[in-house]
Amino acid sequence: AQSVTQLDSQVPVFEEAPVELRCNYSSSVSVYLFWYVQYPNQGLQLLLKYLSGSTLVKGINGFEAEFNKSQTSFHLRKPSVHISDTAEYFCAKNGNEKLTFGTGTRLTIIP
Amino acid sequence: SQTIHQWPATLVQPVGSPLSLECTVEGTSNPNLYWYRQAAGRGLQLLFYSVGIGQISSEVPQNLSASRPQDRQFILSSKKLLLSDSGFYLCAWSGQGGEQYFGPGTRLTVT
Repeated sequence: AQSVTQLDSQVPVFEEAPVELRCNYSSSVSVYLFWYVQYPNQGLQLLLKYLSGSTLVKGINGFEAEFNKSQTSFHLRKPSVHISDTAEYFCAKNGNEKLTFGTGTRLTIIP
Repeated sequence: SQTIHQWPATLVQPVGSPLSLECTVEGTSNPNLYWYRQAAGRGLQLLFYSVGIGQISSEVPQNLSASRPQDRQFILSSKKLLLSDSGFYLCAWSGQGGEQYFGPGTRLTVT
């Protein structure tokens, strides 16, 4: 069965500090991976996607993620966070016309 | 460009009343469409998805049903709401790479 694991349910980070949100996925032949952000009472917004090619993917709002096939990971990073980055972040993997989502990581920025 | 609409934005309904939530997509043809529910403080649960008009796949047994009367219209319904139907309902459509684009959501409170 497809699975996506986000081990950290909550991550507190000081403003302007770097952050890494972890995501691991179940291995399969072809892997398409995504990161989404959800602000309170809003729908999910696509941050970035990995379909093929370069393993380092850059997205919106200064976020990037690295696809690591050997470690089956797709961690999300930002070198310096802002208060506005406070949100829920979801990792997802594509398969059989559907996405499998992780349980989400709540990123809290401490002023 | 593609846009996705959901309405209403918020809804308060008594137990036992019917439900109809509508989702429409503009700017794309024959999209895959999805309904998700997000309970308070929890992750995403896929309820239904559709790969074409009249084609509905149900992911979990429940008090809800879905219909796709037109190519870019997806409707979520219930004949009698339960308290457990409360939540944040999200509609999405999928792009060529399998990434999904979400609507703004409907906050449903069953009282």
